[in-house]
Amino acid sequence: DAKTTQPPSMDCAEGRAANLPCNHSTISGNEYVYWYRQIHSQGPQYIIHGLKNNETNEMASLIITEDRKSSTLILPHATLRDTAVYYCIVRVSLGGGADGLTFGKGTHLIIQP
Amino acid sequence: SAVISQKPSRDICQRGTSLTIQCQVDSQVTMMFWYRQQPGQSLTLIATANQGSEATYESGFVIDKFPISRPNLTFSTLTVSNMSPEDSSIYLCSVAVGGTYNEQFFGPGTRLTVL
Repeated sequence: DAKTTQPPSMDCAEGRAANLPCNHSTISGNEYVYWYRQIHSQGPQYIIHGLKNNETNEMASLIITEDRKSSTLILPHATLRDTAVYYCIVRVSLGGGADGLTFGKGTHLIIQP
Repeated sequence: SAVISQKPSRDICQRGTSLTIQCQVDSQVTMMFWYRQQPGQSLTLIATANQGSEATYESGFVIDKFPISRPNLTFSTLTVSNMSPEDSSIYLCSVAVGGTYNEQFFGPGTRLTVL
């Protein structure tokens, strides 16, 4: 799996959009970008994933650059409950099975009231 | 989706003893995973446990230290054997579901302290 680089921490004001960057310059053509988050004392939670097109779901939006070397997770209206460690993971999506996830250090996002 | 429970939620154990952690899923799943999260660190994959086959361990983890059982499609156990203080961690199980297994669901974790 390709390596990812994320800032160790970020602050964001409540109600604002939180934009979390991730660099994955060695990503391969068949590797997807996944985002998970871990709220304190809980197991990680899947947020979103994408290959090359921008994706949006009820939780967040994922913007992937055209060269796919970086991406941004956007939480449109951050709340205090979004305070968590956010992990950007690059991996192949296997239709017939799955591998375990390789977690980096992630970004500790702190939403300020 | 899948709802996962783990038992115990936490435990304090003595050096040299063993602890078995249970993972129960509310639906049948093929692929289950066990992770370790050491204090202040991110998650590290221990092994993949698929029903009907032996668990596959990641580099640095061995079956004698972390034996895993997977008796059916909704249940798995991880044993931490001959514990030392370095084994103090949160242990989490997860499952991959869906036709493309894109999303993994995690249990709440078992917080283990070894004295």
